[in-house]
Amino acid sequence: QQQVKQSPQSLIVQKGGISIINCAYENTAFDYFPWYQQFPGKGPALLIAIRPDVSEKKEGRFTISFNKSAKQFSLHIMDSQPGDSATYFCAASMRTGGSYIPTFGRGTSLIVHP
Amino acid sequence: KAGVTQTPRYLIKTRGQQVTLSCSPISGHRSVSWYQQTPGQGLQFLFEYFSETQRNKGNFPGRFSGRQFSNSRSEMNVSTLELGDSALYLCASSPDPGTATQYFGPGTRLTVL
Repeated sequence: QQQVKQSPQSLIVQKGGISIINCAYENTAFDYFPWYQQFPGKGPALLIAIRPDVSEKKEGRFTISFNKSAKQFSLHIMDSQPGDSATYFCAASMRTGGSYIPTFGRGTSLIVHP
Repeated sequence: KAGVTQTPRYLIKTRGQQVTLSCSPISGHRSVSWYQQTPGQGLQFLFEYFSETQRNKGNFPGRFSGRQFSNSRSEMNVSTLELGDSALYLCASSPDPGTATQYFGPGTRLTVL
């Protein structure tokens, strides 16, 4: 059972445009929602994360929007740059037995054309 | 602070062999988790270690095992390798299990022939 659904699978955006990646989750017990950025040959790097008690979090050009009632959250990349071309993963986690174990979305391959 | 380091970065093995991968967490981090990343299944949780004890285990066969040492370094072992074990194996560390934020290493690319 896929607990975190991520879309789209791939995304092509022009330089300067807005990239939007969406995720939906099922388990309302999730309470931590990070986004990771992964370049080829590298491990995922934490980009930005949000807790369900806020509806939006912004860090530079990256913004997470969170809709608790819809059980959805999204990543917005403003003024997208070719250097943003990477695979993006959303995740959802909850504390179980004292540990946070994330469930990941399948990833979105973003290509930003110059 | 140095990040999470993993060795080796690349490995080629043949079916039936076994392999050991190593992970050194960020200094001060005592919780280590392992993940398998494949194009077909995405990122899947293997297991989590803290204080030399396995706290959680994902849905993987018993051929996958791990351990953690007193200095928080961790190893994972895969015995009787199968073609389907070809994947990027990622290690992530956090200060303790109760910290939600995890920091990933670069991974070990395992190819099984």
